[in-house]
Amino acid sequence: AQSVTQPDIHITVSEGASLELRCNYSYGATPYLFWYVQSPGQGLQLLLKYFSGDTLVQGIKGFEAEFKRSQSSFNLRKPSVHWSDAAEYFCAVAHKGGGKLIFGQGTELSVKP
Amino acid sequence: NAGVMQNPRHLVRRRGQEARLRCSPMKGHSHVYWYRQLPEEGLKFMVYLQKENIIDESGMPKERFSAEFPKEGPSILRIQQVVRGDSAAYFCASSPRPPGSALNTEAFFGQGTRLTVV
Repeated sequence: AQSVTQPDIHITVSEGASLELRCNYSYGATPYLFWYVQSPGQGLQLLLKYFSGDTLVQGIKGFEAEFKRSQSSFNLRKPSVHWSDAAEYFCAVAHKGGGKLIFGQGTELSVKP
Repeated sequence: NAGVMQNPRHLVRRRGQEARLRCSPMKGHSHVYWYRQLPEEGLKFMVYLQKENIIDESGMPKERFSAEFPKEGPSILRIQQVVRGDSAAYFCASSPRPPGSALNTEAFFGQGTRLTVV
């Protein structure tokens, strides 16, 4: 069965520090992968997505993610975190051709001044 | 082009009442998905609909829950005889095609409806 694991429930980083959020997936074929961000009380905003091609994908707000097939990972990175990045981050995989997204449990990011 | 619109944003129901959650997809989108987010958890898929058809309801509870997406009007998620465990945020997403069916197809999410059962 398809699944997505985000090993870190909560991460705290200092403003200006680099960030890496981990995501591992289980999927039988080439996955379509997504990272979403959710601010408190809000909906989900797409940060970036991977369908094929270059394994390093750039997203909005200075985020990037790298698809590593050998490690079944799609980790999200940002070189310098801003206080406004504090939010919950969700990794998801699309069931190819099936429509639904399988989400990880989420990682809550806190940013220290 | 307005985004995915969900209403109400907040809904309070007493145990045993019915809850009706509405979702208007983005213009031109004929695929709608409902997800539920329980407190401190990620989003769980509930149901996937196209106009007048339920495509995948594998995530829907067997009883009390139903969904529709009529030819005209919004998609409706209906919960009958609500219980405290139904308290959650319910998100709707829409896409012009199923996510993953073609390059650069993604789902756009609404702000959600936060249901509280008292």
